[in-house]
Amino acid sequence: SQQGEEDPQALSIQEGENATMNCSYKTSINNLQWYRQNSGRGLVHLILIRSNEREKHSGRLRVTLDTSKKSSSLLITASRAADTASYFCATYSGGYNKLIFGAGTRLAVHP
Amino acid sequence: DADVTQTPRNRITKTGKRIMLECSQTKGHDRMYWYRQDPGLGLQLIYYSFDVKDINKGEISDGYSVSRQAQAKFSLSLESAIPNQTALYFCATSEGGTARTGELFFGEGSRLTVL
Repeated sequence: SQQGEEDPQALSIQEGENATMNCSYKTSINNLQWYRQNSGRGLVHLILIRSNEREKHSGRLRVTLDTSKKSSSLLITASRAADTASYFCATYSGGYNKLIFGAGTRLAVHP
Repeated sequence: DADVTQTPRNRITKTGKRIMLECSQTKGHDRMYWYRQDPGLGLQLIYYSFDVKDINKGEISDGYSVSRQAQAKFSLSLESAIPNQTALYFCATSEGGTARTGELFFGEGSRLTVL
């Protein structure tokens, strides 16, 4: 079972455009995290937003969290070809025991 | 050197063989995890360990076993591999304690093919 579900499954954009990915989850959370995976490589943590936060920025990344709708979005501004990767949201619920991942959004940024 | 090291990185084996995937970490983290990723899908948790004496089943533990040999080492075994265990396997670590955020640090993965 997956706690988080990303939307869209795949996204194709041109360099310079913004990319928005959405994540919905099912149960109450402690925090929500976003990870990036280059093809066939290990996942890398991008950003974490706590349940009492609504928005967070890190460089070209902006994450929002709406706990009333059980959803989050990841915005990558001014995309670059190097941003091409899969992006996953992940959540803990009921304590920091198991981090459960969604199926991910595959982002392709074309030069 | 990588903080979380997985060996082997690639392995091809036959149905029925016993396989061990090994993970070692230099981050000093108490918590270690094994995940499985199938093509185009997210990660599924197989087992996790909060210390050497604490082992827990994840979402898909059937057909797998683990051993936490030391704080820094966590191995995953497939006692009798079957083709639908063909996947990319990831080891990950995280801090324990009250200051933790639950951020995971991943190895580069072990690609297993069972023929």
